[in-house]
Amino acid sequence: QQQVKQSPQSLIVQKGGISIINCAYENTAFDYFPWYQQFPGKGPALLIAIRPDVSEKKEGRFTISFNKSAKQFSLHIMDSQPGDSATYFCAASRSGGATNKLIFGTGTLLAVQP
Amino acid sequence: EAQVTQNPRYLITVTGKKLTVTCSQNMNHEYMSWYRQDPGLGLRQIYYSMNVEVTDKGDVPEGYKVSRKEKRNFPLILESPSPNQTSLYFCASRGLGRGELFFGEGSRLTVL
Repeated sequence: QQQVKQSPQSLIVQKGGISIINCAYENTAFDYFPWYQQFPGKGPALLIAIRPDVSEKKEGRFTISFNKSAKQFSLHIMDSQPGDSATYFCAASRSGGATNKLIFGTGTLLAVQP
Repeated sequence: EAQVTQNPRYLITVTGKKLTVTCSQNMNHEYMSWYRQDPGLGLRQIYYSMNVEVTDKGDVPEGYKVSRKEKRNFPLILESPSPNQTSLYFCASRGLGRGELFFGEGSRLTVL
């Protein structure tokens, strides 16, 4: 019940296309859903995050779509660019716990071809 | 510049030779944590610390030790490394609550 399942494991998209990465969770107590972006040789960095009181959050070309009833959330990258090539991790946590521990998905390696 | 600094960035060692990976943050964060990243398994938490002298196990603590004697430092200790500890390790920190988790640049460890 603590898992966050992420798919696909890898993704190849043409420049200008839309990249879509999906995550699903079981624990209905989760109430914070961030996405982290990791470039080769670097640590993950927060990209965008959403709370379940909204169904969508957009920051530039990056959008999180959230479906509370389906317990799913996804990252959409519009007009994908080669500079977006990275590994993307979804994550989830719940408030009220002692640590607010983030549970990470297994990651998606995105390659945007020029 | 706000950052989490890990050292060494790359290390090759042999089975059984004790090693320490250091982690230091300059953001006055209370919470610090160690993760290992393996292909297909994502980021798995090894240990975390809520504050000085307060540490606890994460999901994969076997074979690792940590200490938190100062707020800024959180070293990861492998007393007797084994080949299954070959991995990419990340230290991370954040303030109390659920703010952004800041990661170091990683330490790639190979145990022969």
